Amino acid sequence: EAGVTQSPTHLIKTRGQQATLRCSPISGHTSVYWYQQALGLGLQFLLWYDEGEERNRGNFPPRFSGRQFPNYSSELNVNALELEDSALYLCASRFWTGVSYEQYFGPGTRLTVT
Amino acid sequence: EDKVVQSPLSLVVHEGDTVTLNCSYEVTNFRSLLWYKQEKKAPTFLFMLTSSGIEKKSGRLSSILDKKELFSILNITATQTGDSAIYLCAVYNNDMRFGAGTRLTVKP
Repeated sequence: EAGVTQSPTHLIKTRGQQATLRCSPISGHTSVYWYQQALGLGLQFLLWYDEGEERNRGNFPPRFSGRQFPNYSSELNVNALELEDSALYLCASRFWTGVSYEQYFGPGTRLTVT
Repeated sequence: EDKVVQSPLSLVVHEGDTVTLNCSYEVTNFRSLLWYKQEKKAPTFLFMLTSSGIEKKSGRLSSILDKKELFSILNITATQTGDSAIYLCAVYNNDMRFGAGTRLTVKP
């Protein structure tokens, strides 16, 4: 079974540009979570999509947005990039174990803003 | 405000040592607590805990949850250099909230 996939692996942008990151969940999983992990910091929750809708978002400005497609893959868009947006962006796929939810992570996209 | 606090933030041990990592939480609607190991990029799943007092074990790693005192511990016995990583604790309520992690370094 294929795991969570993310693309691109690395992305270099300049300040003010826009970045688009992509994620495909494990087949059959309908929920996708996005996290930001800046250097030296823990995972910060960004966005949660389920069944094509945004269900929750973390404490990030509106220039962080995304969407989920009918095949449950997801896109994270970051507009008007700032230097502090440089981070590892992780996507996770969620599934119900029968008792609780578990999340499995993709390999991440390393975004560098110069 | 929901929060997950891990301690220590950083730990350096020698091979063969036993370590205990701590995770305390204050969240509403607690459903489960998860431990992850993060080496280079993607965190990899270790354990999911939902019930108090039931130890989960996988090789040299074990974990237990105390829902009364709102904490969990992750034990690693006979540590190896390959155990060097960031260990993340996450609590699931309505979404997944992560602690800052404990950076474990195991020296030969």
